[in-house]
Amino acid sequence: GQNIDQPTEMTATEGAIVQINCTYQTSGFNGLFWYQQHAGEAPTFLSYNVLDGLEEKGRFSSFLSRSKGYSYLLLKELQMKDSASYLCAVCDSNYQLIWGAGTKLIIKP
Amino acid sequence: GAVVSQHPSRVICKSGTSVKIECRSLDFQATTMFWYRQFPKQSLMLMATSNEGSKATYEQGVEKDKFLINHASLTLSTLTVTSAHPEDSSFYICSARGGDAKETQYFGPGTRLLVL
Repeated sequence: GQNIDQPTEMTATEGAIVQINCTYQTSGFNGLFWYQQHAGEAPTFLSYNVLDGLEEKGRFSSFLSRSKGYSYLLLKELQMKDSASYLCAVCDSNYQLIWGAGTKLIIKP
Repeated sequence: GAVVSQHPSRVICKSGTSVKIECRSLDFQATTMFWYRQFPKQSLMLMATSNEGSKATYEQGVEKDKFLINHASLTLSTLTVTSAHPEDSSFYICSARGGDAKETQYFGPGTRLLVL
């Protein structure tokens, strides 16, 4: 079966760094996505990785290791507005997105 | 780029009525559009996938006669919840794929449906 695992909840301090991990087992792989979803709102696109390595985009970076079925989202210089759920999703061989349950990130002052 | 709009953003209706939700890709042509449902504090649930000009593919457990999907053009898809009941109250979100980033799904802002 297809499976995406990510922690349910994480807590971090304003100004700090947090890493949200995602492991996956899917039928085929056409890239991994990270989305941010604030409470009561729709998801917004953060990043897309299809090759191994680190992609940096401002305060957010995303890493992929296809051989390990592993990705992480790294958030630096955390701000209160970063409190949200972070969704990991893998595009499978049929170009369908398989979604993780999301990681709720709580930022404390 | 890659902006998706959804209308209405919020709707309250009586049980038994039908509700139509529109999803539009504003600055790109969406070869595929997706409809999701999300209950409070739960994950996104894919309801159906639609390609322009063809019938939608529904996920297991989703009644196609109750959730009618029309993808008439490369920029518009509609979801009609027929004979809505209180248990259909949920957050309905569409996404669209196409344009430069062929794999990326861009989400509309969502429609909050409350059936009384």
